[in-house]
Amino acid sequence: DADVTQTPRNRITKTGKRIMLECSQTKGHDRMYWYRQDPGLGLRLIYYSFDVKDINKGEISDGYSVSRQAQAKFSLSLESAIPNQTALYFCATSDFRTGNYNEQFFGPGTRLTVL
Amino acid sequence: AQKITQTQPGMFVQEKEAVTLDCTYDTSDQSYGLFWYKQPSSGEMIFLIYQGSYDEQNATEGRYSLNFQKARKSANLVISASQLGDSAMYFCAMREGAGNTPLVFGKGTRLSVIA
Repeated sequence: DADVTQTPRNRITKTGKRIMLECSQTKGHDRMYWYRQDPGLGLRLIYYSFDVKDINKGEISDGYSVSRQAQAKFSLSLESAIPNQTALYFCATSDFRTGNYNEQFFGPGTRLTVL
Repeated sequence: AQKITQTQPGMFVQEKEAVTLDCTYDTSDQSYGLFWYKQPSSGEMIFLIYQGSYDEQNATEGRYSLNFQKARKSANLVISASQLGDSAMYFCAMREGAGNTPLVFGKGTRLSVIA
């Protein structure tokens, strides 16, 4: 089983709809991240969380919100989706406590299309 | 200013030849980490190699090596003996500061391996 899972893997929705992307991890990591990938722009950070009570905005947080329901779960919401939020979304995890600063593990990605 | 610059949008290499993918970075931190990820057409992000700013030796992982030139702020990825399966997008990324902070990504280089 994958250590970092994302649901759904693909989603097509309409402008104005509320969408939630979910991320779960079984690695026991404390830190979780949401990134967005657009063609030609690489990955950009949306939000990150160092633990359940610590949520931080990233480079492109406008139009998004997050919830860290438990150490293993980190959800990304689009309250009112718009077409320029069409992108590939990645969740990632890392573990500060072990000192393994050389690892960040990515989920398989969610491809979101907003019509 | 961009923190990670990958100047080669696309590269071609003959099968079994070596190829170097360029990456320069910009940071004022003394402690940082540099990562390379591979993204095949299926979309997942595959970790390839890591170099810490205090590591004196260049990192190597199988056919991958990282040519780390600290004074020039470059962290080029070298792939030896290219294979058709190496055709993918390659991203350079940086973690600034000590600890598990979010990664900053370059825009990527698309590598095509020709038979």
